[in-house]
Amino acid sequence: GAGVSQTPSNKVTEKGKYVELRCDPISGHTALYWYRQSLGQGPEFLIYFQGTGAADDSGLPNDRFFAVRPEGSVSTLKIQRTERGDSAVYLCASSLGYSGRESNEQFFGPGTRLTVL
Amino acid sequence: AQSVSQHNHHVILSEAASLELGCNYSYGGTVNLFWYVQYPGQHLQLLLKYFSGDPLVKGIKGFEAEFIKSKFSFNLRKPSVQWSDTAEYFCAVNRGYNKLIFGAGTRLAVHP
Repeated sequence: GAGVSQTPSNKVTEKGKYVELRCDPISGHTALYWYRQSLGQGPEFLIYFQGTGAADDSGLPNDRFFAVRPEGSVSTLKIQRTERGDSAVYLCASSLGYSGRESNEQFFGPGTRLTVL
Repeated sequence: AQSVSQHNHHVILSEAASLELGCNYSYGGTVNLFWYVQYPGQHLQLLLKYFSGDPLVKGIKGFEAEFIKSKFSFNLRKPSVQWSDTAEYFCAVNRGYNKLIFGAGTRLAVHP
């Protein structure tokens, strides 16, 4: 079956512009996660959705970052007034998300490489 | 704050050498533990996971990891590495369905 997909694979933008990054989770996965990976670092958590609602958004760095998942499937990460420090690979993951620890495994997409000039 | 430490940032080995990558975490209580691998040009893939039970976990491609609760450790091992094991390895931990906390990663280069 299809894995997690993310579009675009690469995005180059200018400082101050608005960008949207899209994530299509694995069909049937109710939990969706966004992470950010800077060069030489491990992925850092941004936000977690259970269904349509954000269950944990404690990793969003500031109010320029926002994410939605209106129908409980596809999610969009939105970044306003981009800054050079936002340059990173943005990763999306999904998991089954219901009770039972085996459903906890997170499957990752290929990521979107964002470059802010 | 919760954290994950990977002690080795870069490891260089010859084929057939044994591998051990260290991972320590700072969570208290019950945790889930993972090792992910990222091969060059590919996305993160799960190598193995520990939820409960036998603390010695076997994963894909001959990798294994041992959970030592008293040491808050989950070290990754492989008796004999191959050139195809060249990749970046990430240790991660979480509780329940929550966010994964990742270590900084270890870049492994295996020379033929």
